[in-house]
Amino acid sequence: QQQVKQSPQSLIVQKGGISIINCAYENTAFDYFPWYQQFPGKGPALLIAIRPDVSEKKEGRFTISFNKSAKQFSLHIMDSQPGDSATYFCAASKGSARQLTFGSGTQLTVLP
Amino acid sequence: DAGVIQSPRHEVTEMGQEVTLRCKPISGHDYLFWYRQTMMRGLELLIYFNNNVPIDDSGMPEDRFSAKMPNASFSTLKIQPSEPRDSAVYFCASSPGQGGTEAFFGQGTRLTVV
Repeated sequence: QQQVKQSPQSLIVQKGGISIINCAYENTAFDYFPWYQQFPGKGPALLIAIRPDVSEKKEGRFTISFNKSAKQFSLHIMDSQPGDSATYFCAASKGSARQLTFGSGTQLTVLP
Repeated sequence: DAGVIQSPRHEVTEMGQEVTLRCKPISGHDYLFWYRQTMMRGLELLIYFNNNVPIDDSGMPEDRFSAKMPNASFSTLKIQPSEPRDSAVYFCASSPGQGGTEAFFGQGTRLTVV
């Protein structure tokens, strides 16, 4: 059973545009929702994370929007740049357990 | 700190051979995770340790897979015997015990079993 569903699988955006990636989760016990960025040949790296007590978190050009009732959260990348081209993973974990359940990933391409 | 260090970066082995992947977590981190990444299954957790003790190994696919953490600075993931379907990128990650939930990933080991 896939506990975190991510869409789209791939996304192409023009430089300066907005990139939006969506995730939905099933387990209401999840209480930590990070987004990871992965470049080819590298391990995933934390980009931004949110807990369900807030509906939005912004760090620079990156924003997480969280809808607890719908069990959905999304990543918005404003003013997308070619350097943002990477694979993005949403994830979730619960309680004191630290293991992450990952979405399937979105390959983002930002055209110059 | 150099981050999470994995070795080797690449491993090519023949079916039936034993493979050992190694990981050095970030000093002071209490949690260590082993993940596997494939095109078909994405990133999936295999096992994780807390203070060197295995906590959850439900993601280990078969008895051919085993993991150990003999001390706070070293862990191994062993596959014996290896099979072509084990071909994947294996990541080790570590996480601090207090005050932080971020998992720091190593660069991964790309395993190819022929």
